[in-house]
Amino acid sequence: GAGVSQSPSNKVTEKGKDVELRCDPISGHTALYWYRQSLGQGLEFLIYFQGNSAPDKSGLPSDRFSAERTGGSVSTLTIQRTQQEDSAVYLCASSARDDQPQHFGDGTRLSIL
Amino acid sequence: AQTVTQSQPEMSVQEAETVTLSCTYDTSESDYYLFWYKQPPSRQMILVIRQEAYKQQNATENRFSVNFQKAAKSFSLKISDSQLGDAAMYFCAYRSYYTDKLIFGTGTRLQVFP
Repeated sequence: GAGVSQSPSNKVTEKGKDVELRCDPISGHTALYWYRQSLGQGLEFLIYFQGNSAPDKSGLPSDRFSAERTGGSVSTLTIQRTQQEDSAVYLCASSARDDQPQHFGDGTRLSIL
Repeated sequence: AQTVTQSQPEMSVQEAETVTLSCTYDTSESDYYLFWYKQPPSRQMILVIRQEAYKQQNATENRFSVNFQKAAKSFSLKISDSQLGDAAMYFCAYRSYYTDKLIFGTGTRLQVFP
């Protein structure tokens, strides 16, 4: 597609369950980012992938959060044993190079009951 | 650590008028990038304008322009001839020259009245 694609658009799950959020970046973009936007807040950096380099995981809030990027393209953000404070919009972005602007997807709204 | 502050949670403007959104940031670095992103209800973050810190000239994109004051660490966004479609959340963001993550402010909700 022409833009960054995220799925699902919305996810409702029970506390304690695991969830997987998917991001399909713009074709050819080597850099991929995950951010979290809690209600009424700005975006909080989670993790960054660039090519085959080791990802920058410095923003992951706990060891319940992990992400992988397969084949340098699609990325999956996994949250294990979800907690209510994990409720947020999770946004993915990609860029052609490190110094190029990031293009964002529409996000996944995650609600933990 | 770098921080970005947007002190105006909400702003409003009448259609065709001009509005300025404020942003200040804190950094010890001399090389960096600054951005304004727009987020409509669709949630997608749309890049409005970008400024490289080494450039003294203020960036301009059609009706959008910035007032970049490096010494004061200020980066305001001016929207001229406001349109109803400009209504959205606006986020100011900082990116170090040496890292790739964006640091965002808490946003300003802009309302545009006909």
